[in-house]
Amino acid sequence: GENVEQHPSTLSVQEGDSAVIKCTYSDSASNYFPWYKQELGKRPQLIIDIRSNVGEKKDQRIAVTLNKTAKHFSLHITETQPEDSAVYFCAAGRAGTALIFGKGTTLSVSS
Amino acid sequence: DAGVIQSPRHEVTEMGQEVTLRCKPISGHNSLFWYRQTMMRGLELLIYFNNNVPIDDSGMPEDRFSAKMPNASFSTLKIQPSEPRDSAVYFCASSPQVTNEKLFFGSGTQLSVL
Repeated sequence: GENVEQHPSTLSVQEGDSAVIKCTYSDSASNYFPWYKQELGKRPQLIIDIRSNVGEKKDQRIAVTLNKTAKHFSLHITETQPEDSAVYFCAAGRAGTALIFGKGTTLSVSS
Repeated sequence: DAGVIQSPRHEVTEMGQEVTLRCKPISGHNSLFWYRQTMMRGLELLIYFNNNVPIDDSGMPEDRFSAKMPNASFSTLKIQPSEPRDSAVYFCASSPQVTNEKLFFGSGTQLSVL
C-alpha cells in the first residue's frame, strides 16, 4: 500500500520568510496529492491540491510542486504570516482508494 | 449545510467500556472515511465507505474496532472493549465524489480511555 513520508516535522520561520514542506510517496499509481492545514484544536481543511498531470499549481501565497519521477511533492508558502502557523499534512491517493497522510509538519511563524 | 457532524465532541471512559462514535456526512456525499489522529502516528486511515459499502478496512487496528454505515446519512465507529492506547482524536470525513478527493472533515471526537 501507499506510504507517505513528510519532512520536516517542525519548522520555525520569521514572518515574511518562505516555508517549504516536502513529502515523498511510494505508490507510483498515486495521482492525487492534496495538502491540508489544521489549526490548533480544529479540523484539517484542504488548502490546495494537485493531480499528476500537472507539475505546479499556485494559489496566492501557496504553491505545490510535483515530481512524478522522483515521487515527491512540496508545499511552498511565501511571505509567511502568523496566521499561517498550523500543522500541515500532505497526502497521496488515487481513484478507489482512501488518502494516505503524512505525519504532519508543525509550522510556527513568529512576528 | 452544517458540514460533517460528529458526536460526541469529547468522550472519557474507563478501560473495558464500549465506546460508540457517530458521524453524519454532508448530504449527497458518496464517500465516508474514519481517521484516527495521534501525535506519534499522525492521521491514520481506519476504514472508508463508498455508497455505504465498506471498501477498505485494513487500517482497523483489531477486532475490538468495528464500523457501520447503515444508510447514506449515518455511520458509527465502535470500540469494544476500549483500552488506554485507543485514546486519540477520531475524525470522520466525507467526499462529494466516489473517490478520495476534496475531503471535508468533521470536528473530531477526543477520546480518552482511563
